[in-house]
Amino acid sequence: DTGVSQNPRHKITKRGQNVTFRCDPISEHNRLYWYRQTLGQGPEFLTYFQNEAQLEKSRLLSDRFSAERPKGSFSTLEIQRTEQGDSAMYLCASSSGGRTEAFFGQGTRLTVV
Amino acid sequence: QQQVKQSPQSLIVQKGGISIINCAYENTAFDYFPWYQQFPGKGPALLIAIRPDVSEKKEGRFTISFNKSAKQFSLHIMDSQPGDSATYFCAATSGSIQGAQKLVFGQGTRLTINP
Repeated sequence: DTGVSQNPRHKITKRGQNVTFRCDPISEHNRLYWYRQTLGQGPEFLTYFQNEAQLEKSRLLSDRFSAERPKGSFSTLEIQRTEQGDSAMYLCASSSGGRTEAFFGQGTRLTVV
Repeated sequence: QQQVKQSPQSLIVQKGGISIINCAYENTAFDYFPWYQQFPGKGPALLIAIRPDVSEKKEGRFTISFNKSAKQFSLHIMDSQPGDSATYFCAATSGSIQGAQKLVFGQGTRLTINP
């Protein structure tokens, strides 16, 4: 059990560019979540997968955001046409079906300049 | 709409003292209340959690007190140590009997333990 892995750890991009983040959940965890955390705030829910199905999306997830989880394993979060307001830590968490505990990765810190 | 309110925003405690962080919630459907600890540059780590059918849960130096009627819960850190210096988040979720669900987090408390 190597924990939830997120890549890259840091990303600096110019406004208007597209970025993609990857999350590898704990092995055999069928639920995967994406959260966004801005400086000095608690994480905010973005979206949630059970296996490969995306079951819920927050209003925070604008049309520029898309998440996928092909084959129910790793997940990607893509942000198109990045804006300065997208600068944040993007966190991924996973959990095992039927269990309440969710385990977080170390996050990807995005800076849009 | 802020569903979980956390206080204080920051807290300074002397080594060996008791650290107390409070949270209040609005949604009576919440049925699982975890606390997370976060160090700079790291993701949140699950510390301790409670369900509303008990009023207190203790794990080592960490205790959650839960008041269902007041819709409040708190984290107590006994014998606080410099290594406990971190940001603490309370959270809540509903429908947890079906497994982990999305979490609603408080705003966080930056705890500093002075040696």
